[in-house]
Amino acid sequence: DVKVTQSSRYLVKRTGEKVFLECVQDMDHENMFWYRQDPGLGLRLIYFSYDVKMKEKGDIPEGYSVSREKKERFSLILESASTNQTSMYLCASSFTQGRDEQYFGPGTRLTVT
Amino acid sequence: GDSVTQMEGPVTLSEEAFLTINCTYTATGYPSLFWYVQYPGEGLQLLLKATKADDKGSNKGFEATYRKETTSFHLEKGSVQVSDSAVYFCALIDNYGQNFVFGPGTRLSVLP
Repeated sequence: DVKVTQSSRYLVKRTGEKVFLECVQDMDHENMFWYRQDPGLGLRLIYFSYDVKMKEKGDIPEGYSVSREKKERFSLILESASTNQTSMYLCASSFTQGRDEQYFGPGTRLTVT
Repeated sequence: GDSVTQMEGPVTLSEEAFLTINCTYTATGYPSLFWYVQYPGEGLQLLLKATKADDKGSNKGFEATYRKETTSFHLEKGSVQVSDSAVYFCALIDNYGQNFVFGPGTRLSVLP
């Protein structure tokens, strides 16, 4: 069974704090993704990575950065958290070969106060 | 670009009713198609998939058939249960395995 884990289910941070969201997958997937999910807006892609040390901007990268130092781990960084970054954050991974599905983690609900 | 359109929700049904959630897509070539389900407070789980025209994906009583002529992948279930209450997402991955696109999601509520 593919497993994608996220470091926290719930997180509360203050405005201006630096926030790290961690995602780990155990299936040797090349591709990893970060989404945010907001009511009425669906899933929006923040960043993705096709390989170690590689990153590509998604649809809404502003205010975020990412790090992929190891194949199994993909971190999302909020450099200076703001209240409009309060959201559900979902990590996903997939194989490169073939048109394979994405496997999702349980999500991190982040509240910025 | 590629896109996925789903019927507007929320959809409210009584237990044992028949469910259809419509999904249509726009994509070049031959995408693979997916349905995901998200239960409250959880991440997305793959429900079923189809990789070529006329394929039928099925799981847990849900079915969807890849219809290339109508560019559709409608989700159906013959008899819904309260436990099926969730948000359902239609999605595709393009011909080259590069572009993964989600629909907006359809919230289903099943009443006892």
